[in-house]
Amino acid sequence: GAGVSQSPSNKVTEKGKDVELRCDPISGHTALYWYRQRLGQGLEFLIYFQGNSAPDKSGLPSDRFSAERTGESVSTLTIQRTQQEDSAVYLCASSSGGQGEGQPQHFGDGTRLSIL
Amino acid sequence: ELKVEQNPLFLSMQEGKNYTIYCNYSTTSDRLYWYRQDPGKSLESLFVLLSNGAVKQEGRLMASLDTKARLSTLHITAAVHDLSATYFCAVDRWSNYQLIWGAGTKLIIKP
Repeated sequence: GAGVSQSPSNKVTEKGKDVELRCDPISGHTALYWYRQRLGQGLEFLIYFQGNSAPDKSGLPSDRFSAERTGESVSTLTIQRTQQEDSAVYLCASSSGGQGEGQPQHFGDGTRLSIL
Repeated sequence: ELKVEQNPLFLSMQEGKNYTIYCNYSTTSDRLYWYRQDPGKSLESLFVLLSNGAVKQEGRLMASLDTKARLSTLHITAAVHDLSATYFCAVDRWSNYQLIWGAGTKLIIKP
């Protein structure tokens, strides 16, 4: 596709349930990022994938959060045993190079997650 | 630890006025990015500044980077309502590949 695609666009679930969020990056982009954005706040880095290298998981807030990426394509972010504090917009971005190469990140429209 | 601070965090202004948003960062970097976010929307890349003294302009927006002062500015000339949005700056961290983000400046331009 022409841009980064995320699904679902909205997700409402009960506390304690598991959720899976999906991101399709721009074709050919080797770098993929997940961020969390709480209402009215800035971006919180979660995880970074670069090609086939081991991902940087340093931003994941707890062991309930995990992410996978198959090669240089689709990524899924999984949140287990969701809590109300997990409510936020989860943004995915991709870029054609690593951070140090000065390539801007291209963002998807995000998944708005609401935990009841 | 790299910190990125934006100033102001909120700005309400009239159409036709000029104003500047500031982005300060705390450690060495020469890659700085500006993004725009409309309410309920995702982020859109505006400018990529890759060297000291870099200046880029797009319409009524102009961004500059002073790596010695660790400062970037986003200048708005003769503001129009369509520029109302939240503007974020982000800085590359040399030690790894994370972007460190400012908190964002919410800009409201009144017609």
